[in-house]
Amino acid sequence: DAGVIQSPRHEVTEMGQEVTLRCKLISGHNSLFWYRQTMMRGLELLIYFNNNVPIDDSGMPEDRFSAKMPNASFSTLKIQPSEPRDSAVYFCASRLAGGANEQFFGPGTRLTVL
Amino acid sequence: GENVEQHPSTLSVQEGDSAVIKCTYSDSASNYFPWYKQELGKRPQLIIDIRSNVGEKKDQRIAVTLNKTAKHFSLHITETQPEDSAVYFCAASSYREYGNKLVFGAGTILRVKS
Repeated sequence: DAGVIQSPRHEVTEMGQEVTLRCKLISGHNSLFWYRQTMMRGLELLIYFNNNVPIDDSGMPEDRFSAKMPNASFSTLKIQPSEPRDSAVYFCASRLAGGANEQFFGPGTRLTVL
Repeated sequence: GENVEQHPSTLSVQEGDSAVIKCTYSDSASNYFPWYKQELGKRPQLIIDIRSNVGEKKDQRIAVTLNKTAKHFSLHITETQPEDSAVYFCAASSYREYGNKLVFGAGTILRVKS
């Protein structure tokens, strides 16, 4: 198993541009989490899905951020328009839903908004 | 909702000494407590976890203890080595009908000096 896959690994864009981050879950997992990590704010949960359904999006900073799960194995996080303060490392993680199951992180996408 | 406090924020130890990181949580319904290690530029990876029906768990040089009454849990690393240098995160999770999410502490930077 290749583990959680994220793309791109690095993204540099200019303020105002649309950014789309992608995540492929581990086969068989049905919970998906998007996190943002910065030095100032640490590891923040943005949104999570169970069986393709968004369960908690209270961590999404504002309407510029949106996330989708078009199928059971894939998710996107979109920022439109992007701002310099969105610069961070974005991780997705997957897990088997329910109970106390290990959560596996992807390698992350380092986003820089100029 | 759940709140997880982690201390200390930084910890320096001499190689071979022990390191202890402590976390407290607020939600008495939390029943799963993982610890993640994140090396510089890498993803967080699970190193050990404990469930609420167990008071202590050990895996080679790493151990975790849980005190449900006091709502705190600790990570113990013995015989520290330079490769233990990393950021360590504790987390807590409780099961809800609609799903469960990990709430992370702010992290501890561990430096092992050789």
